[in-house]
Amino acid sequence: AAGVIQSPRHLIKEKRETATLKCYPIPRHDTVYWYQQGPGQDPQFLISFYEKMQSDKGSIPDRFSAQQFSDYHSELNMSSLELGDSALYFCASSASWGRVAEGTGELFFGEGSRLTVL
Amino acid sequence: DQQVKQNSPSLSVQEGRISILNCDYTNSMFDYFLWYKKYPAEGPTFLISISSIKDKNEDGRFTVFLNKSAKHLSLHIVPSQPGDSAVYFCAASGGGGSNYKLTFGKGTLLTVNP
Repeated sequence: AAGVIQSPRHLIKEKRETATLKCYPIPRHDTVYWYQQGPGQDPQFLISFYEKMQSDKGSIPDRFSAQQFSDYHSELNMSSLELGDSALYFCASSASWGRVAEGTGELFFGEGSRLTVL
Repeated sequence: DQQVKQNSPSLSVQEGRISILNCDYTNSMFDYFLWYKKYPAEGPTFLISISSIKDKNEDGRFTVFLNKSAKHLSLHIVPSQPGDSAVYFCAASGGGGSNYKLTFGKGTLLTVNP
């Protein structure tokens, strides 16, 4: 079965550079989420999109922006990179965000994009 | 402020025995709880979930128990297998009908010894 696809899997950047991560959700999933997991840390929610609109925002720095496109893929843009941005960035997708009460809205995660800022 | 807490960073059990992973939460608005399993270099994989209207959910070898009054949930794996060795994340969401902004615990590394 198709899973969530993230690219690139690994990325190395210098401080103050810009990076873009891409996420392709599972087909027919309309919601994507971005999480950041620092070394030894738990995944932290950054931002989510439902039907191409931002649906929720977490601890995303102002230097970061994201969007969801008409084909439901999403891109996370990170500018003025700092050493502390080095982390594993996970994208997840789900079908129909409003189905929490039905207990069917679990997230499916991609394998992550590892960003290293030197 | 850690709203979802997994106080045991690691757990080691023998193959065939029960593994019990614990999770506590502080936010009373959480109404849906999930367990994810994560192998190195892979993304988290959904394991099992429970809604706050239930106190138990079972799926094969995996059972999740929820004690709302204690704001505590646990994942039981019976019998444990070496392939279960991974990091287990407890996650919670809340707001009734809101989207899946999950709050994760820091994870527990489970090692199942043959």
